[in-house]
Amino acid sequence: AQRVTQPEKLLSVFKGAPVELKCNYSYSGSPELFWYVQYSRQRLQLLLRHISRESIKGFTADLNKGETSFHLKKPFAQEEDSAMYYCALSGGYGSSNTGKLIFGQGTTLQVKP
Amino acid sequence: DTGVSQNPRHKITKRGQNVTFRCDPISEHNRLYWYRQTLGQGPEFLTYFQNEAQLEKSRLLSDRFSAERPKGSFSTLEIQRTEQGDSAMYLCASSLEGQRTYEQYFGPGTRLTVT
Repeated sequence: AQRVTQPEKLLSVFKGAPVELKCNYSYSGSPELFWYVQYSRQRLQLLLRHISRESIKGFTADLNKGETSFHLKKPFAQEEDSAMYYCALSGGYGSSNTGKLIFGQGTTLQVKP
Repeated sequence: DTGVSQNPRHKITKRGQNVTFRCDPISEHNRLYWYRQTLGQGPEFLTYFQNEAQLEKSRLLSDRFSAERPKGSFSTLEIQRTEQGDSAMYLCASSLEGQRTYEQYFGPGTRLTVT
């Protein structure tokens, strides 16, 4: 079964503290993994994707195929990081894949001053 | 082009009525997706279009749901005989074939409330 699990509904940290948003997945094959973010009153937008291995707004995520995890990390949280974060996977494009995204339930990150 | 747009943004309807939502993707994007999001959950895939062809439908998409994308441009999602369980945020996303990555651009969503 294709599934994305985000075990924490809410993660609350103080400004300057490290952040780790957990994501585990189940997929038979080689999926593409993403983190999407939704700030208050804004639309869902891509934060980062595992294939680019880049840091966006100080966030990084490493795909661990052995543990089937794709945790999102930031060493020093900022108040503007407060948002809803969704982990998602895609089977990619091909004869049997349409690029559809399978999302986790989301984690609300609350960064307190 | 300011991104994916959806209309209406909010819709309140009575149980049993039909509703139709519209999505206008980014103009050059040939791939279009519909998702549904209920409170406290992540978006769930409903259906996918490549140009005008509907290539995949989720089993979530009951017979009361129908989607079209005439001429491969805008798309409509119609729900017939709405039920209270249809209350949700309906999201549209688009992407461009040939992109190296699979980034989907989302619209603001249409919030449906069935009373």
